[in-house]
Amino acid sequence: SQQGEEDPQALSIQEGENATMNCSYKTSINNLQWYRQNSGRGLVHLILIRSNEREKHSGRLRVTLDTSKKSSSLLITASRAADTASYFCATLNTDKLIFGTGTRLQVFP
Amino acid sequence: SAVISQKPSRDICQRGTSLTIQCQVDSQVTMMFWYRQQPGQSLTLIATANQGSEATYESGFVIDKFPISRPNLTFSTLTVSNMSPEDSSIYLCSASISGANVLTFGAGSRLTVL
Repeated sequence: SQQGEEDPQALSIQEGENATMNCSYKTSINNLQWYRQNSGRGLVHLILIRSNEREKHSGRLRVTLDTSKKSSSLLITASRAADTASYFCATLNTDKLIFGTGTRLQVFP
Repeated sequence: SAVISQKPSRDICQRGTSLTIQCQVDSQVTMMFWYRQQPGQSLTLIATANQGSEATYESGFVIDKFPISRPNLTFSTLTVSNMSPEDSSIYLCSASISGANVLTFGAGSRLTVL
């Protein structure tokens, strides 16, 4: 399977803490994307990082990419209860997005 | 921002029946993608639907089980045929609307097969 793997599978933190989730993938990429899914609903795109970028920020999100290790991380700073969701990384394989296994984040108030 | 509407949002179906899921995009798109998400799992791509041509299916998915239509640039349907309890999943349609292969998703169709 070309599917990427994420760790941890599940993460529980308190509001205000930072949450870090990691993604490893198997093939060469043009870009890597992160998505959020609330309660089994549709996914929402969060951020895209291109293969020639090492770090990218968007609000409370920080994404890093290490193409030599085929890995990426997503950091959510100052987490809120509303950040409770599943987070997926996704890599582009020709014209198709292949999603990682996901991290379930629970943020307690 | 662009919207993708999917229906039904959920359904409970009997074994052996078929169900068609509809996906409407509010702008014209070249490719639409159908994913399956089994309970507690990640998304698995079923097929890519191009307007005017046969859908391209991923390994493990066949047209007889998951026929797809793509009659125009804003609409697609996925049928889940001869359903069994193993087909109980969320089915999601998506399309690249903003470019850079960033996908916009519908809200999903949650199917339960008894």
